[in-house]
Amino acid sequence: DTGVSQNPRHKITKRGQNVTFRCDPISEHNRLYWYRQTLGQGPEFLTYFQNEAQLEKSRLLSDRFSAERPKGSFSTLEIQRTEQGDSAMYLCASSRLAGGVYEQYFGPGTRLTVT
Amino acid sequence: QKEVEQNSGPLSVPEGAIASLNCTYSDRGSQSFFWYRQYSGKSPELIMFIYSNGDKEDGRFTAQLNKASQYVSLLIRDSQPSDSATYLCAVRDTGGFKTIFGAGTRLFVKA
Repeated sequence: DTGVSQNPRHKITKRGQNVTFRCDPISEHNRLYWYRQTLGQGPEFLTYFQNEAQLEKSRLLSDRFSAERPKGSFSTLEIQRTEQGDSAMYLCASSRLAGGVYEQYFGPGTRLTVT
Repeated sequence: QKEVEQNSGPLSVPEGAIASLNCTYSDRGSQSFFWYRQYSGKSPELIMFIYSNGDKEDGRFTAQLNKASQYVSLLIRDSQPSDSATYLCAVRDTGGFKTIFGAGTRLFVKA
């Protein structure tokens, strides 16, 4: 396994602009998750895919956020009309069933700064 | 609101000592429990998981679970300076796919 990869690693954008992040999960992992993490806090669940189906989306996520996972492979997370409060580390994780438990493996994250 | 609570620390232990990290959770139906280590500026790294009451050992790490008390802990034996990091407790919810993380406990191991 080559691990979960995320691009870009860093993104600086001006308020009001749209941004898109990409996540490539570990091959054959059918579950993919997006989280957001701010300083001093644990990762906060945003959304979850099983294969290509988006099965859960956090109520904390506004309509400005959208995620896709076409063909059940890579996933994208788009934030429209960014706000300063969107500044955070965006983490992607993937998992598959092993030993009766879905273990999540995180990518390196994309750090977003909204100015 | 399902919650996972951890003491934010910092917890400071001397090199070679046992570090004890604790976590409580609110969802009594939770089934799986995870410990992650996160170095500053890096993403979380899975250390181990546990889903049965009792102890589970993996090298220098031991996870302990008490579902009746809704309590999970992580013991690190022979602590090393390289163990200095934030340790995140995570709980898989009753539905089986959503994972709730605590805010983490910062651990410092003094050489």
